[in-house]
Amino acid sequence: DVKVTQSSRYLVKRTGEKVFLECVQDMDHENMFWYRQDPGLGLRLIYFSYDVKMKEKGDIPEGYSVSREKKERFSLILESASTNQTSMYLCASSPGQATTEAFFGQGTRLTVV
Amino acid sequence: DAKTTQPTSMDCAEGRAANLPCNHSTISGNEYVYWYRQIHSQGPQYIIHGLKNNETNEMASLIITEDRKSSTLILPHATLRDTAVYYCIVRGAGSYQLTFGKGTKLSVIP
Repeated sequence: DVKVTQSSRYLVKRTGEKVFLECVQDMDHENMFWYRQDPGLGLRLIYFSYDVKMKEKGDIPEGYSVSREKKERFSLILESASTNQTSMYLCASSPGQATTEAFFGQGTRLTVV
Repeated sequence: DAKTTQPTSMDCAEGRAANLPCNHSTISGNEYVYWYRQIHSQGPQYIIHGLKNNETNEMASLIITEDRKSSTLILPHATLRDTAVYYCIVRGAGSYQLTFGKGTKLSVIP
């Protein structure tokens, strides 16, 4: 079974801190994604990557950056956390062929205080 | 990618078939219909996808109308564990993105 593992289930950080959310997948997938999910707004795509060192902005990239140095790992970085980044963050991966399904991690609930 | 319209919520009796509709009237010829679900406090889970023909797997069946403007996800024998938000997504063949809408909250009632 494909496994997408996010490093933390719950995280509490202070305003202004630099925050790293890590995601690892074990199925050699080319594509990896970061979403955030907020009540009433659904899932929104922040960034995605279709290859090592490649990244594309999603719908809401402001305030975030990403890093993909190895195929299996995709990191989401909050350069200076703010309270409006309190959210559920979900990582996903999928094989290179665009029509195949994506597999999601369990999510990280981040609270910025 | 085409937009989708789903009912906000539905109830289904345990053991009965759950039929979840989705309207995608602006779908184009190379766009696929995907279904995902999200059980509370978990990440979304892939269920099924299709282009034109009806599809069936161990979880569900997907019925796509001949004009492809709507589809129905069928859970043949709903259980309490099927209580979740179900998302219908239309995605182009060359698109890597999945755009999630609000979905349908399905409640399976004992």
